[in-house]
Amino acid sequence: QSVLTQPPSVSAAPGQKVTISCSGSSSNIGNNYVSWYQQLPGTAPKLLIYDNNKRPSGIPDRFSGSKSGTSGTLGITGLQTGDEADYYCATWDSSLSGYVFGTGTKVTVL
Amino acid sequence: EVQLVESGGGLVKPGGSLRLSCAASGFTFTNYGMNWVRQAPGKGLEWVSTITSTSGHIYYADSVKGRFTISRDNAGNSLYLQMNSLRAEDTAVYYCVRILQPSAMGVWGHGTTVTVSS
Repeated sequence: QSVLTQPPSVSAAPGQKVTISCSGSSSNIGNNYVSWYQQLPGTAPKLLIYDNNKRPSGIPDRFSGSKSGTSGTLGITGLQTGDEADYYCATWDSSLSGYVFGTGTKVTVL
Repeated sequence: EVQLVESGGGLVKPGGSLRLSCAASGFTFTNYGMNWVRQAPGKGLEWVSTITSTSGHIYYADSVKGRFTISRDNAGNSLYLQMNSLRAEDTAVYYCVRILQPSAMGVWGHGTTVTVSS
């Protein structure tokens, strides 16, 4: 099962903001970088945020990331219908010597 | 254009074997560590295995340790996953992923589907 905990779902109206939390421990988020992935329906995941708060080229600044202690957070502002997707956090776990993913969060635009 | 193209998926009986391949193009393959990540039907993402650029370090999820073997051919720009003793719970879409150092997964393939069923 997933080591990182995310809320199952979040929703907001178009133009609004949502935040998604990712809770871990000292062996994973506490001592390693957090990354975030967007998975649109029927497609492969795509990197949104890496190294806690960096965006790959082509990712709009409506997407932001942060980390505090053993938790990471993804923020999406100016919500659009095209943002409806599943979002996952991930990091390296030093105790497990492997990557761990979050449980996933479904974003719904009302 | 950076591309990862998986192949080798299919239907296999429990206890059987399958070898997945991932053809990489558009970048210097030897410079990157690689992952296999899977997603069971209707479920979340699960990391399977990691291999560093020179195959010097290899890691496996506990769920596949002893049954799966990751390898790479840098001269042929290819990544592999040999899967033995397959179980129903190994049924999933398997993604080939390029690592963005130190620990992000920067580029994903489209995936190949493995179904383990009698």
